[in-house]
Amino acid sequence: QKEVEQNSGPLSVPEGAIASLNCTYSDRVSQSFFWYRQYSGKSPELIMSIYSNGDKEDGRFTAQLNKASQYVSLLIRDSQPSDSATYLCAVNIRGAWNNDMRFGAGTRLTVKP
Amino acid sequence: EAGVAQSPRYKIIEKRQSVAFWCNPISGHATLYWYQQILGQGPKLLIQFQNNGVVDDSQLPKDRFSAERLKGVDSTLKIQPAKLEDSAVYLCASSFRQRNTEAFFGQGTRLTVV
Repeated sequence: QKEVEQNSGPLSVPEGAIASLNCTYSDRVSQSFFWYRQYSGKSPELIMSIYSNGDKEDGRFTAQLNKASQYVSLLIRDSQPSDSATYLCAVNIRGAWNNDMRFGAGTRLTVKP
Repeated sequence: EAGVAQSPRYKIIEKRQSVAFWCNPISGHATLYWYQQILGQGPKLLIQFQNNGVVDDSQLPKDRFSAERLKGVDSTLKIQPAKLEDSAVYLCASSFRQRNTEAFFGQGTRLTVV
């Protein structure tokens, strides 16, 4: 089982819709979770971090964490064509004592005008 | 605040040659990471430093890859000799401390081995 798994996509949504991106992880001691956005040919850019169960909202982005189910998701409301990118889920696989961050393969999102 | 600096941005070498990449993290960031990202895949951690000590190098191919972080600031990653499968983007990232903090990436070095 991979440490961090994401649906590879591609995921296509119309402009203005909600995009839902999902991620599961294997290590139960994981404490911190991150979502990065990566445009083609660019480096990953941090968009959200979440550490506690529940929802965390930042503008049009909402991260959701369920540690019991080992599941983290990212919702993008009112999707825009500029949101078209690959979204990477990253998990600290060793818990709080070491920031050993592992990435999923990424989900490619396309927002169609 | 200046971001993570990497150089060179691009490098093309022949197989069996050697190559080195340089990274300067965000000022004050104690933790530094080197990732390898092959096209279409997520970043793969190669090595993690805390100040100038190695925290994790379990996925570093030590027969050909080496890395150092002298004085706990700048870092270099070297490949010798390079193989075709080393073609990838090499990303450097840094975080303020070792526990539960976000990492910020540099622009990366795109390596092509021919």
